[in-house]
Amino acid sequence: EDKVVQSPLSLVVHEGDTVTLNCSYEVTNFRSLLWYKQEKKAPTFLFMLTSSGIEKKSGRLSSILDKKELSSILNITATQTGDSAIYLCAVGTSGTYKYIFGTGTRLKVLA
Amino acid sequence: ETGVTQTPRHLVMGMTNKKSLKCEQHLGHNAMYWYKQSAKKPLELMFVYSLEERVENNSVPSRFSPECPNSSHLFLHLHTLQPEDSALYLCASSYLSPYNEQFFGPGTRLTVL
Repeated sequence: EDKVVQSPLSLVVHEGDTVTLNCSYEVTNFRSLLWYKQEKKAPTFLFMLTSSGIEKKSGRLSSILDKKELSSILNITATQTGDSAIYLCAVGTSGTYKYIFGTGTRLKVLA
Repeated sequence: ETGVTQTPRHLVMGMTNKKSLKCEQHLGHNAMYWYKQSAKKPLELMFVYSLEERVENNSVPSRFSPECPNSSHLFLHLHTLQPEDSALYLCASSYLSPYNEQFFGPGTRLTVL
């Protein structure tokens, strides 16, 4: 059965810290891996990683896909209180329209 | 502000009620999705519609009935729900290609008494 596991489940840091969130997956016919940020209700898209695009960066956020280790990390540097959210990882597989989501990592950044 | 809207935002219903959730996307996408998000569980895909045809149905109980009258609108009809159906119901849309992300609506927080 396809599955996506995120770690840690929750994390509390102070402003200015750097955090690394992990996502590992076991799926057949991997197609893509997505990261979302969920603050109140609607998850908002951060990055998509594929075999042809294994590293993405946007401001203080960056993400890398390791296809050999079947995992991805999301790095946030110089964290701010506005980074407090649940970070979701989702994996898409070929031949299907669905994405398999992990349970998410709840990040709290203290001032 | 997202291009996907959902109504109502909150819903409380009894087990014998019938209600409907509505989703509308203004992004010109051709695929729409219903997800269920329960506490401490991953988002669960319920239904996928492509060009108004249901293309995936993840063994969802028949008390949940989806309807997609056109590519911009998606409904989830609810009847005789159980308390364990209480959750956040999220709608999403995307272009139907392998490398397009999904855009989510704000969700409907459903409580079944």
